[in-house]
Amino acid sequence: DQQVKQNSPSLSVQEGRISILNCDYTNSMFDYFLWYKKYPAEGPTFLISISSIKDKNEDGRFTVFLNKSAKHLSLHIVPSQPGDSAVYFCAATTNAGKSTFGDGTTLTVKP
Amino acid sequence: DVKVTQSSRYLVKRTGEKVFLECVQDMDHENMFWYRQDPGLGLRLIYFSYDVKMKEKGDIPEGYSVSREKKERFSLILESASTNQTSMYLCASSSGTSGSSVRGEQYFGPGTRLTVT
Repeated sequence: DQQVKQNSPSLSVQEGRISILNCDYTNSMFDYFLWYKKYPAEGPTFLISISSIKDKNEDGRFTVFLNKSAKHLSLHIVPSQPGDSAVYFCAATTNAGKSTFGDGTTLTVKP
Repeated sequence: DVKVTQSSRYLVKRTGEKVFLECVQDMDHENMFWYRQDPGLGLRLIYFSYDVKMKEKGDIPEGYSVSREKKERFSLILESASTNQTSMYLCASSSGTSGSSVRGEQYFGPGTRLTVT
């Protein structure tokens, strides 16, 4: 039973356009959500997070939206840059501190 | 600068061998984690630790054990390696004790790609 799902294994966008990465979860106990970016041969690095008491959090070109009723979150990158090409993981956390990760979405930003 | 290091980037072991993967963080973090990453399966939590000498099972602990004798070091042990343990192993750490702060972002090491033949 996969509690965190990223249904799109890959996404390709043009430089300058918006990238939208999606994530769905099933466990209503998750109350904190994070996005990580991973380049080949490196460990994931933290990108942005959102608490369940909010529905939006913004950091520069990155915005995360949370729809609790739909158990859905999304990461928007505007404008997309070639350096954003990476694998993006969403993660959901309970108050016990365990993070459950999705499978990842490979984003390719074409110049 | 935050740093998590793992003892090896690549490791090749034979079936039945005992394997030690070491992880060290220099951020004085309370929490440490071991994951494995496999294609199509994302990152799956093997074990984690909130404090020295404490450990908790993750989602896939079978075939693994861990040791945390010092705050900065968290070891993953494969008692008898098997081919289905061929994977990328990632260590991570985060700050905060139990409660809201324990949800915070995790800092990952570069990973160890283990091949069991």
